[in-house]
Amino acid sequence: QKEVEQDPGPLSVPEGAIVSLNCTYSNSAFQYFMWYRQYSRKGPELLMYTYSSGNKEDGRFTAQVDKSSKYISLFIRDSQPSDSATYLCAMSVANAGKSTFGDGTTLTVKP
Amino acid sequence: DGGITQSPKYLFRKEGQNVTLSCEQNLNHDAMYWYRQDPGQGLRLIYYSQIVNDFQKGDIAEGYSVSREKKESFPLTVTSAQKNPTAFYLCASSPRLEPQHFGDGTRLSIL
Repeated sequence: QKEVEQDPGPLSVPEGAIVSLNCTYSNSAFQYFMWYRQYSRKGPELLMYTYSSGNKEDGRFTAQVDKSSKYISLFIRDSQPSDSATYLCAMSVANAGKSTFGDGTTLTVKP
Repeated sequence: DGGITQSPKYLFRKEGQNVTLSCEQNLNHDAMYWYRQDPGQGLRLIYYSQIVNDFQKGDIAEGYSVSREKKESFPLTVTSAQKNPTAFYLCASSPRLEPQHFGDGTRLSIL
């Protein structure tokens, strides 16, 4: 069983929809949680970074962490065609330096 | 501009040949990483280095080698022992205990 499981997708939504992207994990030592966005043929770009349970908001993006359920989510409000990309969750243990990534969810936002 | 530069963007390898992928960063980050990404899959860690002249194997190090002689440089050699080298290779760097930032990758193919 993988340490990090990500909803596989693909996901297709109309412009303006609210999108929910989800990951679960099994390692209770994970303390740092990241979301990356990856456009085709490009490297991943860091979107959100949090180290505590609860919500963190940045513009149209909200990252949610529930450590008791070992579950994290990324919500995108008012989705735009430019949000069409693959989204990767990532997690790390404190002081470990390296991260474990989910397999990614490909999102398409249709105009 | 500060960033991570990977070169070349595309690389072709003949059977039995070693090839070296370049990764340079001018962000003054201590740690550097190499990942492999296959279609529809997440990132798998090949090697990482948290300090000059020191590096550790990741999950899929067989058939690869690295060096870290300078803080800003972390080249990856794909040796002839790697039997399935066709993939998208991503280099990342980070300050201590901070999320990783990625270059735009090198796509390696077999001739």
